[in-house]
This record gives sequence, structure tokens and C-alpha cells, in this order.
Amino acid sequence: DIVMTQSPDSLAVSLGERATINCKSSQSVFYSSNNKNNLAWYQQKPGQPPKVLIYWASTRESGVPERFSGSGSGADFTLTISSLQAEDVAVYYCQQYYSFPWTFGQGTKVEIK
Amino acid sequence: EVQLLESGGGLVQPGGSLRLSCAASGFTFANSAMTWVRQAPGKGLEWVSSISGSGIITYYADSVKGRFTISRDSSKNTLYLQMDSLRADDTAVYYCAKRSEYDPGWVDSWGQGTLVTVSS
Repeated sequence: DIVMTQSPDSLAVSLGERATINCKSSQSVFYSSNNKNNLAWYQQKPGQPPKVLIYWASTRESGVPERFSGSGSGADFTLTISSLQAEDVAVYYCQQYYSFPWTFGQGTKVEIK
Repeated sequence: EVQLLESGGGLVQPGGSLRLSCAASGFTFANSAMTWVRQAPGKGLEWVSSISGSGIITYYADSVKGRFTISRDSSKNTLYLQMDSLRADDTAVYYCAKRSEYDPGWVDSWGQGTLVTVSS
């Protein structure tokens, strides 16, 4: 199974400042047949289901604000919130869909400092 | 608009059974791979099971293999999860989720979830 490890477990960022979340997979999730990294980022607010923000490691889902961006390749990935807003308080998860069993990172809780 | 509405959760004793249903609308259900993901209280997300659009191919997490069965009825636009031999650590909110049109693909839509509590 591919193990997904996020860091940090939580972070507190001032409004308007940058938040950076890292995700490492225990093996590469790059799929050569489609030349894509099979990695997604989800946001989950309290009491709500998750919502996809980023797929293929760096493609923003329609309707997701531009302050959210994904980067990385192979086994190392990053989600960046360029200017944290109050509505971004949530838990963020990375997930690999390269192979079954699908696996998620443990989550990173983002709060306002 | 994609809508996924789970039902069937509740309180069940250890060793018991439950069947979850997920009514889907707003997309071509028969063409879409579907997934169940669960979240124990205060914990992270755990993938449970996935099924292809045809229903022929299924996948299970080791933690539920042999106890849970995923299925679908495209005539009813409904996804199911039959859960047998339930254990306390199966207690969780169970989310029905739709995979994107791509394969391999991510989850692009989630239901609101249904709570399953396994307790005596």
C-alpha cells in the first residue's frame, strides 16, 4: 500500500499570509501512461463532506479560488494557500489515486493565528 | 448538479449487519465509477471500497474485505454497501462518492454522509 504522510499536522497562519502543506508518498504516484501525478487535495470544513481542490497534483478544480495551488511530482507534493482567508479554516487531505487501495494523508488542520 | 444521498445508517450491535444506499442524480450513473469512504469520529478519511461503472470490477480495503460488499443498480441509480459482521471500529460516517470521468481518477463529488454506530 502507498503510505501518504502530511506535514505539519496543524498550522496557524495569520489572515493574508501564506499557508503551506506538504505531502509525501511512500512511492511515486506518477502514471507514465497519462503523464500525470495521480494526487488530489481535498478540503473538509467542520460538519461537511470533503471537497476536491486540486487533482493531478496541480490542476485546480473549477470554482476553486486561485489562492489555492498545488505543486510537486513523483512522491513530494505541496498545497499552498497564498493568502489565507477566514473561510479557509479546515482540514486538508492529500490522496493518491495511482493504485488501490486509495490512501489519504492523515490531514492537516489549518487555523487562524 | 450532482447529488448523492446516503441512507441506511444507524445503531447496530457488534456482529450485526446494515445496508447503506446512495441515491445518485445529476449525472450518468451507469458510466461512473463509485466509491465509499468513511471517517471515524474525530479521525481522518479512509477509503473503503470502489466499483466500476459496469459493476464488474470491485475493490476493497483490507479492513473490510470479506465482510462488506459493494454493488450498484443502474436501473435505480443507486449504489449500495452491504456491511456484515460489523465491529466497533467500523463506527464512522460513511460517504458515497463519485469518481471523476478519468481513470485513474479522483473523487469529484461527495454525499453528506450517513453515520454508522456499532455498539452494544
